Amino acid sequence: AQTVTQSQPEMSVQEAETVTLSCTYDTSESDYYLFWYKQPPSRQMILVIRQEAYKQQNATENRFSVNFQKAAKSFSLKISDSQLGDAAMYFCAYRSLEYGNKLVFGAGTILRVKS
Amino acid sequence: DAGVIQSPRHEVTEMGQEVTLRCKLISGHNSLFWYRQTMMRGLELLIYFNNNVPIDDSGMPEDRFSAKMPNASFSTLKIQPSEPRDSAVYFCASSFKGALSNQPQHFGDGTRLSIL
Repeated sequence: AQTVTQSQPEMSVQEAETVTLSCTYDTSESDYYLFWYKQPPSRQMILVIRQEAYKQQNATENRFSVNFQKAAKSFSLKISDSQLGDAAMYFCAYRSLEYGNKLVFGAGTILRVKS
Repeated sequence: DAGVIQSPRHEVTEMGQEVTLRCKLISGHNSLFWYRQTMMRGLELLIYFNNNVPIDDSGMPEDRFSAKMPNASFSTLKIQPSEPRDSAVYFCASSFKGALSNQPQHFGDGTRLSIL
């Protein structure tokens, strides 16, 4: 079974600075998807960014980018120019292509943004 | 476009009562997922459907939980009888899965369930 580990329960960043959230996963599959979801206090689950494992190029979405290291099974999220609205719980998630469409989530990292 | 719609947003009920949570999928989506979020266990998949058919219900905690898709756009998650340990936020998510396409899941706003 696949597992996702987020080793940072909580992170802090100064407004306008850059922060990186860590995620590692365990799988024996060669093709899969990885996602970062954001959950603000309103508790919505918002998709931030996704990466297909077969793509070597790291995904980017505006101020959000990932560092995908397939051999190391690492998938970190970098947030540049942090804003107060970025404060939330961030979840890393794995989706298998072989075993259905379901997501396996990490425990989450709380991100605090200081003004 | 309307997103995934869940109701109710909050539910408070007494132990032993039947609870029904509802979810409307995004139009055109054919996969439906029910998740439960607690402080202790994080986000757990309870069950998911593809084209109205339950594919994996291994996450359903026990027989008190049941889920249905009476049609392609609507699902219910029922707990009967409810217990205090069922208190959690329950999320519904939908996506489109086709032969050549596999889209990300979109989540509803969740139902916060409190069993007294």
